Amino acid sequence: AQKVTQAQTEISVVEKEDVTLDCVYETRDTTYYLFWYKQPPSGELVFLIRRNSFDEQNEISGRYSWNFQKSTSSFNFTITASQVVDSAVYFCALSEGGGANNLFFGTGTRLTVIP
Amino acid sequence: ETGVTQTPRHLVMGMTNKKSLKCEQHLGHNAMYWYKQSAKKPLELMFVYNFKEQTENNSVPSRFSPECPNSSHLFLHLHTLQPEDSALYLCASSRGAQSSYNEQFFGPGTRLTVL
Repeated sequence: AQKVTQAQTEISVVEKEDVTLDCVYETRDTTYYLFWYKQPPSGELVFLIRRNSFDEQNEISGRYSWNFQKSTSSFNFTITASQVVDSAVYFCALSEGGGANNLFFGTGTRLTVIP
Repeated sequence: ETGVTQTPRHLVMGMTNKKSLKCEQHLGHNAMYWYKQSAKKPLELMFVYNFKEQTENNSVPSRFSPECPNSSHLFLHLHTLQPEDSALYLCASSRGAQSSYNEQFFGPGTRLTVL
């Protein structure tokens, strides 16, 4: 079974709209970490955020915010007032607490922001 | 140079060729990783090296042969590949591979096409 599910394959929004990217994960570990990465057209994945399983506080960084809910095993990512530069593929990933730094990635959501 | 670099950025090879991909990290990290990214599939972890020792081989075919001469350099030697091996190969590094906490930093990838 896939450990990380990103049901939205592609999303298009008009510039300045808000958009939420969904991520649902599956793990039996009580200690785990969740990550979001951005992959622009240049190819490299850019680290955006890490959350640990014991910290359910939502986080805001500029136009980015993350909503972590253990009750629904979700770690959703919202971009407020989207910009064209936000166009990229966004990946959610899970690292379980077994001590090995193996990331399980979702299939990604391609976001296109239309000017 | 900063971050994680990969060469070449693009590679086209025939099934009988032998080629190598190179990755270098300038972050002082101790762990390095190879991933394969195919269309519409999650990133697949291939190999993990921690302090130059291979700690993970994710059932990768022997036509892919990794080499890690030191903590800063990682190679992926390719021989007798198949067309289905065409993909984006991403290299990443992190502080250590023994903690699920450490975020990974990615290079821009090598786009490989096997004819």
